[in-house]
Parts: sequence; C-alpha cells; structure tokens
Amino acid sequence: ETGVTQTPRHLVMGMTNKKSLKCEQHLGHNAMYWYKQSAKKPLELMFVYNFKEQTENNSVPSRFSPECPNSSHLFLHLHTLQPEDSALYLCASSRALDATGGYTFGSGTRLTVV
Amino acid sequence: EDQVTQSPEALRLQEGESSSLNCSYTVSGLRGLFWYRQDPGKGPEFLFTLYSAGEEKEKERLKATLTKKESFLHITAPKPEDSATYLCAVRSQTGANNLFFGTGTRLTVIP
Repeated sequence: ETGVTQTPRHLVMGMTNKKSLKCEQHLGHNAMYWYKQSAKKPLELMFVYNFKEQTENNSVPSRFSPECPNSSHLFLHLHTLQPEDSALYLCASSRALDATGGYTFGSGTRLTVV
Repeated sequence: EDQVTQSPEALRLQEGESSSLNCSYTVSGLRGLFWYRQDPGKGPEFLFTLYSAGEEKEKERLKATLTKKESFLHITAPKPEDSATYLCAVRSQTGANNLFFGTGTRLTVIP
C-alpha cells in the first residue's frame, strides 16, 4: 500500500464513452498531480493542484478534465478520447509543491481506448 | 529547455555483478535530482533526492551521486529483487511545480 490509491486499476473505453479516474491519498499532503506514462516515453505532467487549486495545466487537451474537491481526492474525467490516449495514468501527491522527499505515486490506471 | 537522458536503456547483470546507471541532465538552475524505482504494474517509488554537486546518498545496495552535469546510481552486488526500471527526474528553477523525468533504465538481475 503506497498511501495513494487509484481506481480503477484497468479501464477499457470506447471513443464516445465518458469515464472518470479516481485518486485518493490520506498522507496529509497538500499537492496532487496527474501524470501520463506511455511506452518508451518519459512521464508527462498533466495537471498540478495545490490546496485544491489548479496551479498548472500542461497544455492538456480539453477531453481530459481534472477535478479536485479537497486535498485528499483528485479525479480525471475523460470524454471522447482517442486511441493515442491509451497509457498508464499516474496520480501522485507531495507535502508541498517543492517537497524535498519527492512525490508518492499511486499504482496507476491502465487505460485502453478502443 | 530542461533535458534528462538516461543510459543505458536496458541493463542485464548477473547476481553480484556491480554496475552504474547514468542520468545526464540540462536544467536552468537545479533544484533537486530525484531517483525512483518502478516495478511492472506499479507507480514509481521514491529512492533519493540530491541537491548539490558532490552529494551522495545510500540505501542498501544503492548509492546515488551527483555532479554538475550528471548523476549515477551505483548498484553494488545486485540481487534479483533489484530488477526494476530506475527513473531519474529533475526539478528546475523555471519548472518548480514539475518533476521532469527521463525514460528510465530497465535493470534485470539474473540469478
């Protein structure tokens, strides 16, 4: 158990579907992140939230919509995705934006768009 | 533009055969270099943070070192359970909200 829980672990969705990814942490961290990990590519930052407020949107297409209702929960709402969006989506948290201890990652959601 | 290059892409070692992984970086003002371990089907697990050239950190069979241009992750007498992908990431002054990752080195330790 890493302290950051992501659900579901696997998701297969059609291009016209709407689904949501959930991330939860009870570490008392104040910053939360969404990363995308594709094969042979570096982890790619998508969104950053600090104390529930979005502080960074890394030019992510609008078909990805984040939501952070409180410092413990983070969602990623998905709609009309493309096959190239298939990837491992990782949630992470940290005590602060520039925490010395790095980030705590969840196990990810493996997304397949068909 | 911040850049992180890890080499080799993949490494196979016999159990007990020591080696090093390399992380070369170019950043505008380093505010931390991070090493993570990632097992298949899991998220990255934090190992070390290094901040200044000459700094070293150790954990069991792993030792991380830092110069002004690169970091090394030395693995001494590895065991099969050390098999994983090792990721390097940097935080820069201009990208303080972000860890910029390399593509990783996939390490396999053969019994």
